[in-house]
Parts: sequence; structure tokens; C-alpha cells
Amino acid sequence: DAGITQSPRHKVTETGTPVTLRCHQTENHRYMYWYRQDPGHGLRLIHYSYGVKDTDKGEVSDGYSVSRSKTEDFLLTLESATSSQTSVYFCAISGGQGLTEAFFGQGTRLTVV
Amino acid sequence: DQQVKQNSPSLSVQEGRISILNCDYTNSMFDYFLWYKKYPAEGPTFLISISSIKDKNEDGRFTVFLNKSAKHLSLHIVPSQPGDSAVYFCAASADNYGQNFVFGPGTRLSVLP
Repeated sequence: DAGITQSPRHKVTETGTPVTLRCHQTENHRYMYWYRQDPGHGLRLIHYSYGVKDTDKGEVSDGYSVSRSKTEDFLLTLESATSSQTSVYFCAISGGQGLTEAFFGQGTRLTVV
Repeated sequence: DQQVKQNSPSLSVQEGRISILNCDYTNSMFDYFLWYKKYPAEGPTFLISISSIKDKNEDGRFTVFLNKSAKHLSLHIVPSQPGDSAVYFCAASADNYGQNFVFGPGTRLSVLP
């Protein structure tokens, strides 16, 4: 199995609080992605990274920020959590630019109450 | 407006029979297509891909067919096994860059013993 872990796996938080999700990899892969999965929408890209300190926005980036200060960690921060951010969040890593060799983490289920 | 559609939210098939999962897209610029499989409480895993230079790609029991003129692709699983029960996502991109893949909403396949 690819070395990718997400933490926490489950979190309940209150509206208006900041939340940080962590994605950690041991594969030394260059590309890292954060997605959210919601019923009826599949996976939607929030942010991605193509190297240390190199990040860019995805389709649904509003309300989220990311940081990648070292190769192995990609952090996703909800600056002020809202109920619409209740979702399952997946991190993915890839050594190449495409997704055919991407590995996904097990997901973080976030509930904002 | 969804660019990648999977109009069947769910599908049930008897073990040993063929499963056919469909995916339609609206963007004629899409040239790269992926299928991902997802079990409950796990991250998606890559299954099979196809690019527009081909109309068929086969990998064991899994075959993907692409009809560019109809903007339609399908995943065939023959024979279906109970372990194939999962949610299947198709994804499409114009340039095979990971950050540009658009995912469909998924189809839940149940293979009945």
C-alpha cells in the first residue's frame, strides 16, 4: 500500500472555528491533491500542490487554504468552518502529472455543526 | 452544470453476469478518461484508463469503451464478482494533468451472489 495517511479520520467541529486536516506521505511524490466528496458531485478538487511551497486552487477552493512546507505534508485549513463544508475529504498523491498512478488516502469525515 | 455525468446512481447485477457502467461528458475537448473504484471507508483506487486515440482498453475482466462522437464511455466488467461491489467514478480531462480531471458523481454497483 502507498504510504499516505490522513489525520484526523473523523472530526466534528462548530461553525466558525478553524480546522486543519493533514495529509502525510512517505513516497516522496511531487504532486498532492485535496478533494471533497459529496453525494451527487463525485470528487471535486479543492487545492493541489506540485512541489514544496507550490500550490494552486482547484474547482472549489473558496473557504479553504493549503500549505506545503515540506514534501511529505500537505495541510488543508478551513479558515472558518461552515455547515456547507461538511463532507468527506480525500488527499491524493502522485509521482507524475496524471492521475493514473495516484494514490488516495482513506479520507477524513468532517462534520460542521 | 456537470461536465461528466453518470446517470445511473446505482446498478445491481447477478454474479457471473456482465456489469455495464456508463459515463457521458459534455466537453468535446476531453481526451483522457479514467475509472476509479471506491469501497466504503476507503479512498478511491485507479482501475483503468483510456485516451481518445483508442476506442477500447482492456485489463483482465475490465474493459473501457470510448465513443468520442457520442461523448460516451462505458466500463464493462465480465464476469462480475461480489468483490466488485463498490462505487465507480469516471473522470475526464483535456490534457491528462491531474488537477484538471473532472469526476462524475459515481455509480454504486452491487453484485448479488
